[in-house]
Amino acid sequence: GESVGLHLPTLSVQEGDNSIINCAYSNSASDYFIWYKQESGKGPQFIIDIRSNMDKRQGQRVTVLLNKTVKHLSLQIAATQPGDSAVYFCAETLDNFNKFYFGSGTKLNVKP
Amino acid sequence: DAGITQSPRHKVTETGTPVTLRCHQTENHRYMYWYRQDPGHGLRLIHYSYGVKDTDKGEVSDGYSVSRSKTEDFLLTLESATSSQTSVYFCAISAPGPTEAFFGQGTRLTVV
Repeated sequence: GESVGLHLPTLSVQEGDNSIINCAYSNSASDYFIWYKQESGKGPQFIIDIRSNMDKRQGQRVTVLLNKTVKHLSLQIAATQPGDSAVYFCAETLDNFNKFYFGSGTKLNVKP
Repeated sequence: DAGITQSPRHKVTETGTPVTLRCHQTENHRYMYWYRQDPGHGLRLIHYSYGVKDTDKGEVSDGYSVSRSKTEDFLLTLESATSSQTSVYFCAISAPGPTEAFFGQGTRLTVV
């Protein structure tokens, strides 16, 4: 696969533990945010989104938290599984053209 | 991958030659995008299209042009490839937002 994560921050967790991945976004005017998961050799895959009028949103095993005061997003993954090993990106946009600006990513390594 | 096909998937070309990458979608989404992905930079928007014949620049558009003559096809052209354009290129599609963008599998381009 592509070597897109040569110098990425890495989070290593034990299988079954909870994971928290953090992201500082750049534009205080951004009003829509997405977390993407990217596996080696594949394109980014949508995980969960949140609008700026919310501070928390839950999906299946995942939760996104938004703190607009400090421009911070986090992704919480419950009961992390080996299949969750990937690079995770936060993305922000501030218009309805969905022009996303991506963070540089965090590599999640799940140890069996 | 949400009905998105990128071609070619891999290409090696020489400096100074023109290169065209193709993105084809079967979802009839109005918006289409080209991103490039490089280590340490996440994904960066090159150009996007908000309708047939309607395109605009993203954050790293220098050296690239695009065309969209049909809803389903979005072409990215490097008029004269340079080594700095060695990258993985992703096409994405989206409905009018705010909503998620769906990504293709990527094209690995190497300029030698």
